[in-house]
Amino acid sequence: QSVLTQPPSVSGAPGQRVTISCTGSSSNIGAGYDVHWYQQLPGTAPNLLIYQNTNRPSGVPDRFSASKSGTSASLAISGLQAEDEATYYCQSYDTSLSGSVFGGGTKLTVL
Amino acid sequence: QVQLVQSGAEVKKPESSVKVSCKASGGTFGSYSISWVRQAPGQGLEWMGRITPMIGLAQYAHKFQGRVTITADRSTSTAYMELSSLRSEDTAIYYCARDTPYGGNSLVVFYYMDVWGKGTTVTVSS
Repeated sequence: QSVLTQPPSVSGAPGQRVTISCTGSSSNIGAGYDVHWYQQLPGTAPNLLIYQNTNRPSGVPDRFSASKSGTSASLAISGLQAEDEATYYCQSYDTSLSGSVFGGGTKLTVL
Repeated sequence: QVQLVQSGAEVKKPESSVKVSCKASGGTFGSYSISWVRQAPGQGLEWMGRITPMIGLAQYAHKFQGRVTITADRSTSTAYMELSSLRSEDTAIYYCARDTPYGGNSLVVFYYMDVWGKGTTVTVSS
C-alpha cells in the first residue's frame, strides 16, 4: 500500500489528453510539500518529468503539465503520442515517515 | 553532466548481505546527495534512503532502518548501499539517483531525483 495513491492505469487515443491523479494526506501533499513526477519507459530507469509541482526539466515537452491542490496533485499529458506509453509515478515528502514517498504508479496505455 | 554507473547484477542466498555501488562521473560528487530506490518485479518504486557525502549523513526509510547501510567514498565518487538479512522479498532492481535539494530548513532538506543510474538487479534465492 503506497502512501500516495494513483490509479493503476489510464488510457487514451493518440492526440487525446489524459490526466493522472496522485492523492496524499495531511502528512505529505496536504502539508504543503512539493510533488514531483517521474516517467518510467518499459525496461528502463525512471526519469524526472516534473519537479516542484509544475516545473519541467529541459527537454521535457510542454505537452506534459502538472498541478497541485490541497492533498492531491495531477499530471496532464496532452496530444498523446505512442512514445508516452509508460508508467508514471508521483513523489513527495512525508513528515510522519521523515522521508521521500512514491505513489504506486500509473500505467498509461496509448490505444 | 552527471552520470551514475551502478555495479552488476547479484544473486544472493537468504540471510546474506549485498552491497551495490553507484559511481558518479561529472559534477562535484560531494555537492549533492544520492538516494537509493528499489523496484520489486512488477511493482512500484520504493525509497530506501539517502547519503549526503559532503557531511557523511545518511537517512533511512523507516521500513529499512536496521537492515540497510548507505555510505559514500568521496575519493572515488562512489556511493554504496548494503542490505543485510536478505529475503526473497528483497528481489528487486536497485537504483541510485542524484538528489537535487530545493528547500527546507535546519531540520530537513527537500529533494527531487534528477539523474538515475540504470539499476542493479539483485536476486535472492536459495
